[in-house]
Amino acid sequence: GIQVEQSPPDLILQEGANSTLRCNFSDSVNNLQWFHQNPWGQLINLFYIPSGTKQNGRLSATTVATERYSLLYISSSQTTDSGVYFCAVGDPRSNDYKLSFGAGTTVTVRA
Amino acid sequence: DAGVIQSPRHEVTEMGQEVTLRCKPISGHNSLFWYRQTMMRGLELLIYFNNNVPIDDSGMPEDRFSAKMPNASFSTLKIQPSEPRDSAVYFCASSFTASTEAFFGQGTRLTVV
Repeated sequence: GIQVEQSPPDLILQEGANSTLRCNFSDSVNNLQWFHQNPWGQLINLFYIPSGTKQNGRLSATTVATERYSLLYISSSQTTDSGVYFCAVGDPRSNDYKLSFGAGTTVTVRA
Repeated sequence: DAGVIQSPRHEVTEMGQEVTLRCKPISGHNSLFWYRQTMMRGLELLIYFNNNVPIDDSGMPEDRFSAKMPNASFSTLKIQPSEPRDSAVYFCASSFTASTEAFFGQGTRLTVV
């Protein structure tokens, strides 16, 4: 199946810092999502972004489909941003419905 | 809409018992997914329904697992008999169509002792 690699695996930030998370994938995709799994285990939708750039408050994402990567930007981080960030891509061999998740980036924001 | 609703949130059961997990998808969504999350394997798709019909059950680990979707607003995932290695968080997700944005429920944390 499609391979999804996220980096870095862990990130420790001081409150107010900015950061960039990366997702590389092994095949062209029509379905790409970013999720935040909070400390209570809930998977929260951040972006549906198979291509282009989107922004939502302090978060933004860019996917360069032709180069097979996506970036998630966190600006002015807050302690509530802590958790695991997952990139998930739809496997084109399954008509894009089967999401393959990366291993995640664990973000810890310190006050 | 209240989002995808799963129940129970937590389940502790003894090995050999039957376990039933429930899911109510977002109204109007025609695609429903069951995923399992473990430390070893991460998040993996178990089964996918489209318009209440199972389309892909290749991720169901073995015959002890079964899933149904009797109508557009309800699905169940059943494990019978349960084993300790089934302990995991089980998520239900739905989307408007198969490859559009998927929304996840809060998950059911299953512990089999």
